[in-house]
Amino acid sequence: KNEVEQSPQNLTAQEGEFITINCSYSVGISALHWLQQHPGGGIVSLFMLSSGKKKHGRLIATINIQEKHSSLHITASHPRDSAVYICASGGYNKLIFGAGTRLAVHP
Amino acid sequence: NAGVTQTPKFQVLKTGQSMTLQCAQDMNHNSMYWYRQDPGMGLRLIYYSASEGTTDKGEVPNGYNVSRLNKREFSLRLESAAPSQTSVYFCASKILRGGLGNQPQHFGDGTRLSIL
Repeated sequence: KNEVEQSPQNLTAQEGEFITINCSYSVGISALHWLQQHPGGGIVSLFMLSSGKKKHGRLIATINIQEKHSSLHITASHPRDSAVYICASGGYNKLIFGAGTRLAVHP
Repeated sequence: NAGVTQTPKFQVLKTGQSMTLQCAQDMNHNSMYWYRQDPGMGLRLIYYSASEGTTDKGEVPNGYNVSRLNKREFSLRLESAAPSQTSVYFCASKILRGGLGNQPQHFGDGTRLSIL
């Protein structure tokens, strides 16, 4: 059974800090997803990756297939980055989601 | 662009009542999903529909039924609501087509459901 573990559960940072959120999964996958859930509840997809690294603005996602591990990095964090970050792994049809990492960035 | 639209946004029910959560997408996606989100847990799949005319159970289907009404709409029904079904429910959709590779899911804004 595929399980997805995220760490840390909660993270508090000062504006400008470099942030790393980690995700480990237990079985081989088609792709690893990173999503962001805003305080209002909406969920948006940030990245979908199956190898290497992807970058979008100040967000960087990496994956190590051999170690079954992915990281989400936020450079120069800002209060607007405050949200829950969720990783999910799986195949073409179904995903297994981690419990999420709640990030609070203070000015 | 509406994307994935869920109705209602909030609902309070009494134990034993029934209700249907509605979901519609306007992106011509073929796969649709219903999840529930509970505190401290990841999103859990209730049911999904890989394509119009098909539905399959997910991780936590007990107490729920679904209908894929057409390509756009996928509804979730609670026949006899129980307090354990108090949760936030999310509908999602994605395109699933050979040659495109894996694609991300698009989520609705959620329905917050309380069962008293």
